[in-house]
Amino acid sequence: QEHLVESGGGVVQPGRSLRLSCAASGFTFSSSDMVWVRQSPGNGLAWVAVILHDASIKYYADSVKGRFTVSRDNSKNRLYLQMNSLRVEDTALYYCARDLEGRGFDIWGQGAMVTVSS
Amino acid sequence: EVVLTQSPATLSLSPGERATLSCRASQSVGSYLAWYQQKPGQAPRLLIYDASNRATGIPARFSGSGSGTDFTLTISSLEPEDFAVYYCQQRSNWRGTFGQGTKLEIK
Repeated sequence: QEHLVESGGGVVQPGRSLRLSCAASGFTFSSSDMVWVRQSPGNGLAWVAVILHDASIKYYADSVKGRFTVSRDNSKNRLYLQMNSLRVEDTALYYCARDLEGRGFDIWGQGAMVTVSS
Repeated sequence: EVVLTQSPATLSLSPGERATLSCRASQSVGSYLAWYQQKPGQAPRLLIYDASNRATGIPARFSGSGSGTDFTLTISSLEPEDFAVYYCQQRSNWRGTFGQGTKLEIK
């Protein structure tokens, strides 16, 4: 059974940092491109970042570039999102998902909620 | 950045009716377009990839068409469980974008 489980969400003050983790199981994580997608309360989906299977390429949405860093540890089947200089507008449910080489995201986690508030 | 515009924002139909959802891209994305269904409190589910290929386990009443800048998701005969929000999504030059969503509601 293919599975993704996010963790590390919480409430944090503006300007602080948080790291999300995504644990993968049931598929070959080391061969899979991965993405982070977020959804602010009551709103639509927003693509955040992509990392290729070997971490050779990483890209970010303009809204998080320079503040967020995506990484992975293929030996642990884990994906990470380091979020620095958090803003109120970063408040959202953060999903990790498997990217079928740009053709669609076929496996999703249940999401980790990040709330940025003073 | 490629902007995806979905229409209509809300579609009110009855079970058994045919639903046609549209997604227009600000520039050509070839056939690299996907459709997702999202129900309240759930993660999105991939329905269609590469514009017209059904994902694993997706019923045949869901179909996708189009290429370039204009795409359509069709649900041939609505079942009660199909009422949800639908999103289109593309990834070009490694950067992805989603449409703003179409809410399919029961009339």
